[in-house]
Amino acid sequence: AQKVTQAQTEISVVEKEDVTLDCVYETRDTTYYLFWYKQPPSGELVFLIRRNSFDEQNEISGRYSWNFQKSTSSFNFTITASQVVDSAVYFCALSEGLTNFGNEKLTFGTGTRLTIIP
Amino acid sequence: ETGVTQSPTHLIKTRGQQVTLRCSSQSGHNTVSWYQQALGQGPQFIFQYYREEENGRGNFPPRFSGLQFPNYSSELNVNALELDDSALYLCASSLAERRAYEQYFGPGTRLTVT
Repeated sequence: AQKVTQAQTEISVVEKEDVTLDCVYETRDTTYYLFWYKQPPSGELVFLIRRNSFDEQNEISGRYSWNFQKSTSSFNFTITASQVVDSAVYFCALSEGLTNFGNEKLTFGTGTRLTIIP
Repeated sequence: ETGVTQSPTHLIKTRGQQVTLRCSSQSGHNTVSWYQQALGQGPQFIFQYYREEENGRGNFPPRFSGLQFPNYSSELNVNALELDDSALYLCASSLAERRAYEQYFGPGTRLTVT
């Protein structure tokens, strides 16, 4: 069975500090996708990134960066120079194919609540 | 804004009642997935509909059922409500032809069962 573990329940940092959110996953699939979503207080899940299991290159998008390491089954997320607007709950998720055609279901971790202190 | 809408925003029901939640997909998407998010937890997959057929189901009892309409909008029905059904219900739309295409989530319906 698939599993996603986000061991950090809550993190608080002072504005402008860097912060890393950890994600460890378990799967027997050889092809899978990993995701990060942000959930602000409004409740809507906001897509941040999707990473293919065959692509272990790190990715940077503005202040966000992701470190995917297949050897340790981890997909960590770093926010550089954090801002108050980054305060939210962040979820890591793993896809699982439902049929041979197309669609997937997502298995989510329990989330990390990030608070940026002004 | 993802273009996915859900109604109603909030709902209060009594144990034993039935409830219907609605979701409109993003334009061009043919797949809808439903998730239940209990307080302090990550979303849990309920089921998925593709071209009006159920395409997969999570570990939820049969009293959770759904429909997808020709315009790809969807309903989630829950019968015989229990207190533990209190949660945020999220729908997500996606396009089947792009495997693992990101799922776009709506704002959710918060259901409270008393």
